[in-house]
Amino acid sequence: RKEVEQDPGPFNVPEGATVAFNCTYSNSASQSFFWYRQDCRKEPKLLMSVYSSGNEDGRFTAQLNRASQYISLLIRDSKLSDSATYLCVVIVYNFNKFYFGSGTKLNVKP
Amino acid sequence: EPEVTQTPSHQVTQMGQEVILRCVPISNHLYFYWYRQILGQKVEFLVSFYNNEISEKSEIFDDQFSVERPDGSNFTLKIRSTKLEDSAMYFCASSESGGKNIQYFGAGTRLSVL
Repeated sequence: RKEVEQDPGPFNVPEGATVAFNCTYSNSASQSFFWYRQDCRKEPKLLMSVYSSGNEDGRFTAQLNRASQYISLLIRDSKLSDSATYLCVVIVYNFNKFYFGSGTKLNVKP
Repeated sequence: EPEVTQTPSHQVTQMGQEVILRCVPISNHLYFYWYRQILGQKVEFLVSFYNNEISEKSEIFDDQFSVERPDGSNFTLKIRSTKLEDSAMYFCASSESGGKNIQYFGAGTRLSVL
């Protein structure tokens, strides 16, 4: 079973739409969670950390559900510039490596 | 803003040749990492490095790979005898400390093995 699983998409949405992605993880010892964004042929860039109580950064909201072992990312009022692949990242405590999901591709259309 | 820098941006090599990919991590960071991403696939962890030694490595990081911090600033990944399937984007990352600390990625080196 994969450490981290994501729906590859693509999610095709119009500008202004609200879109949500989920990501499931298999290791119950997972302790830290992040969403990264990757543009085509570029490096992953941190979008936001995911905290146990959920957190918001502008149009972006991240949630963690430990019981069901998934994290989510909600994007409100989508912009064209949000078009990218969103990578779910999980680390297991005390291990110095990140497990990346395969990414979910988002296309925001005018 | 401090950043991780990688050179070269693109490396072309013949199968069987040795390549060295170079990275300069963010200056106050103590943990260093290499990842690879084959075109169209996910980012895969290769190795983490702390205090001048490997702290974790994946199954991908076999005997043909090695890492080194030859001086106070550079962090290198050497592939001894490249194979066609080594063609990928190689990302270096660094973090202030290990565990749950955020990793910052360099722009990557695209390795093309012919």
